[in-house]
Amino acid sequence: KQEVTQIPAALSVPEGENLVLNCSFTDSAIYNLQWFRQDPGKGLTSLLLIQSSQREQTSGRLNASLDKSSGRSTLYIAASQPGDSATYLCAVSGGSYIPTFGRGTSLIVHP
Amino acid sequence: GAVVSQHPSWVICKSGTSVKIECRSLDFQATTMFWYRQFPKQSLMLMATSNEGSKATYEQGVEKDKFLINHASLTLSTLTVTSAHPEDSSFYICSANLQGGTEAFFGQGTRLTVV
Repeated sequence: KQEVTQIPAALSVPEGENLVLNCSFTDSAIYNLQWFRQDPGKGLTSLLLIQSSQREQTSGRLNASLDKSSGRSTLYIAASQPGDSATYLCAVSGGSYIPTFGRGTSLIVHP
Repeated sequence: GAVVSQHPSWVICKSGTSVKIECRSLDFQATTMFWYRQFPKQSLMLMATSNEGSKATYEQGVEKDKFLINHASLTLSTLTVTSAHPEDSSFYICSANLQGGTEAFFGQGTRLTVV
């Protein structure tokens, strides 16, 4: 059974810092890995999708990498802003195409 | 990308009543949809897989008689929480994939509060 772990569980940083959020998974037989953002009481916003054949994806200040063989992904956030404050979720999809989620990293960026 | 719409976004109901949540794929057909539940500060846990025209598949520990799932068309799945109790208060969210696709598209979620 796939298990997804996210570290750290919570992070509080001053504005402007570059951040790295970590995600690890136990079964490397995945089709893709997605990073989502969830604001309090809200649904999921898809940030980046990395297919199993890819090594990284970039969108604006966000960069996600994938090392499938070691079961790891990182989400890099450059020049963090208070508006980046949210919970970041990592989800991996295997043969069933059903995402398995980690518990998330709760990020607070203070001015 | 594909759009999945969920309704309502929040609902408050009295203990013992039933609540229906709708999940619609707006610009694509979905033979399969997925329902998740998220308790505060917890991850999203898969509850069941909704299959168009057939019975839903429930994850271990999820009561199928309490969480009724109907997938009567290729664009609509409904989750009915029957005889709701305060412990059913949670965030419920659905997702669907494009036919043959591996990317999951999520609805906005429904915040259920049972009082």
